[in-house]
Amino acid sequence: GQNIDQPTEMTATEGAIVQINCTYQTSGFNGLFWYQQHAGEAPTFLSYNVLDGLEEKGRFSSFLSRSKGYSYLLLKELQMKDSASYLCAVRDKGRSQGNLIFGKGTKLSVKP
Amino acid sequence: DVKVTQSSRYLVKRTGEKVFLECVQDMDHENMFWYRQDPGLGLRLIYFSYDVKMKEKGDIPEGYSVSREKKERFSLILESASTNQTSMYLCASSFRQGAHAGQPQHFGDGTRLSIL
Repeated sequence: GQNIDQPTEMTATEGAIVQINCTYQTSGFNGLFWYQQHAGEAPTFLSYNVLDGLEEKGRFSSFLSRSKGYSYLLLKELQMKDSASYLCAVRDKGRSQGNLIFGKGTKLSVKP
Repeated sequence: DVKVTQSSRYLVKRTGEKVFLECVQDMDHENMFWYRQDPGLGLRLIYFSYDVKMKEKGDIPEGYSVSREKKERFSLILESASTNQTSMYLCASSFRQGAHAGQPQHFGDGTRLSIL
């Protein structure tokens, strides 16, 4: 079957580092996306991983292990504006047109 | 910048009404999608379209239909609105896969629909 798990909520302190985990089960993995969504706004694209390893983009990094069905999003030097929901989404070859399956999202609260 | 525009941010309708939600994108994307987003359930795919006049059911198509008469426009139709269709509706678009495998879906700002 197809399933994506990520923690419902996390809290971290301004200036710190936080890691948001995502585990998935698919019939044919073909890429993983991370999105950020502020309350009441559209999800915006953060990162894409299709091969194992770490992709770094400024303060944000995303890691993938295909053998473990596991990814994480790492946020460094946290800022108050990073308070948002973070959505993990997997592309599955078994779905028509390789459509995405979304996790339920992790709500991150950054405190002073 | 990619722009996905949804016709309304907030909409209030009555039970039994026929409701139209409109979405337009300006990036010549082949694929367009309609999702609903509910607390604790995340984003769920209702319908998608990979070409003009083509449509496929997503994970929760019951009670909905769609129309894609032009490449840039994708409409979601609630044939007879019910209270359990109160939700946030998000439209998205992307290039067709293949050479564009890493290209993300781009989302509109959403329509918060309330059915009374």
